Amino acid sequence: AQSVTQLDSHVSVSEGTPVLLRCNYSSSYSPSLFWYVQHPNKGLQLLLKYTSAATLVKGINGFEAEFKKSETSFHLTKPSAHMSDAAEYFCVVSEWGNTGKLIFGQGTTLQVKP
Amino acid sequence: NAGVTQTPKFRILKIGQSMTLQCTQDMNHNYMYWYRQDPGMGLKLIYYSVGAGITDKGEVPNGYNVSRSTTEDFPLRLELAAPSQTSVYFCASSPLGQVRETQYFGPGTRLLVL
Repeated sequence: AQSVTQLDSHVSVSEGTPVLLRCNYSSSYSPSLFWYVQHPNKGLQLLLKYTSAATLVKGINGFEAEFKKSETSFHLTKPSAHMSDAAEYFCVVSEWGNTGKLIFGQGTTLQVKP
Repeated sequence: NAGVTQTPKFRILKIGQSMTLQCTQDMNHNYMYWYRQDPGMGLKLIYYSVGAGITDKGEVPNGYNVSRSTTEDFPLRLELAAPSQTSVYFCASSPLGQVRETQYFGPGTRLLVL
């Protein structure tokens, strides 16, 4: 069975400093992995996704993630945090098959301090 | 395009009452999903549908029912509301149920059962 583990429930950074949100996955096949962001009282928005093409994936708003099979990781990074990046971030793996079912991590709250 | 819309935005129910959460998408997507999000947790799949007239259970279906009479609409029914159903409910859709497919989320319905 597939699963994802987000290693930090809460990350706090200062504006202008790098962001690192960590995610490990478990899958018996080559997975499709996603990062979604949820701003307060909003729906979820796709940041980026990995689908077995390039291992370094670039997303919206300057975010990127690197798929590392040897480490079973898919960490999300951004060089310089902005106040508007404060939100909840979810690492997600897609369940194998033709249902499109997603399996969510528990989420990481990113706090950005001025 | 409106994308995925959900109504109501917020509702308070008394224990034992029933209600229907509405979800509509205007992207002609075949696949639709209902998730619930409990505080501090990732989303969990309640039900999903791969097309009009076809629905199936997700991870946490107990206490809920769904129907899919049209491509556009996927209502979620709570028959006998319980405090354990206090949550935020998200509807999502995708064109195809493939592992690489992006899901598009609605803004959510916040439900409080007292």
